[in-house]
Amino acid sequence: DSGVTQTPKHLITATGQRVTLRCSPRSGDLSVYWYQQSLDQGLQFLIHYYNGEERAKGNILERFSAQQFPDLHSELNLSSLELGDSALYFCASGGYNEQFFGPGTRLTVL
Amino acid sequence: DQQVKQNSPSLSVQEGRISILNCDYTNSMFDYFLWYKKYPAEGPTFLISISSIKDKNEDGRFTVFLNKSAKHLSLHIVPSQPGDSAVYFCAASPKTSYDKVIFGPGTSLSVIP
Repeated sequence: DSGVTQTPKHLITATGQRVTLRCSPRSGDLSVYWYQQSLDQGLQFLIHYYNGEERAKGNILERFSAQQFPDLHSELNLSSLELGDSALYFCASGGYNEQFFGPGTRLTVL
Repeated sequence: DQQVKQNSPSLSVQEGRISILNCDYTNSMFDYFLWYKKYPAEGPTFLISISSIKDKNEDGRFTVFLNKSAKHLSLHIVPSQPGDSAVYFCAASPKTSYDKVIFGPGTSLSVIP
């Protein structure tokens, strides 16, 4: 158990809809990283937050947004969903030199 | 454009033998390299890392070698055990933004008893 929690575990929705994925970092960690893993691909870095502030941005679509709240949990919002957004979404906490990953949220867009 | 490449999607090794997983990168700004292991239905877990100032780092059965001139790193597992069967991801951080960790596509290792 990494100490990082993600909810929900599974999410099934339709194209055009909007969903929110939630992540709580390990106790004491100020960072949250979000990644997308599509079929047969590695983890694609989306965004990094540190203590409520955005620190680094990867290939995150404009339809996606994230925030980190004062209690340090983070939410990833995905809107106008497309079939290609179906993927595993992981969050992690820690630092660049060692990240602790949650179990992931599997998003299926039908 | 894939900056971190793992050209072998899968690898099979006999228990007790050495497993060698390879990784190539294209970005000369990468300064810190990591390996993560992932079991099905779980998130990746950190295995071992190496800074660009070193060419080898060892932790128990796991050793990572870095060849900066060739932009190549490898993970050696000796001896391989059935519990090592997992997907292994190579990852790299650029010195311009260490938190922007770039992962490779992964290599699925099967250790046969």
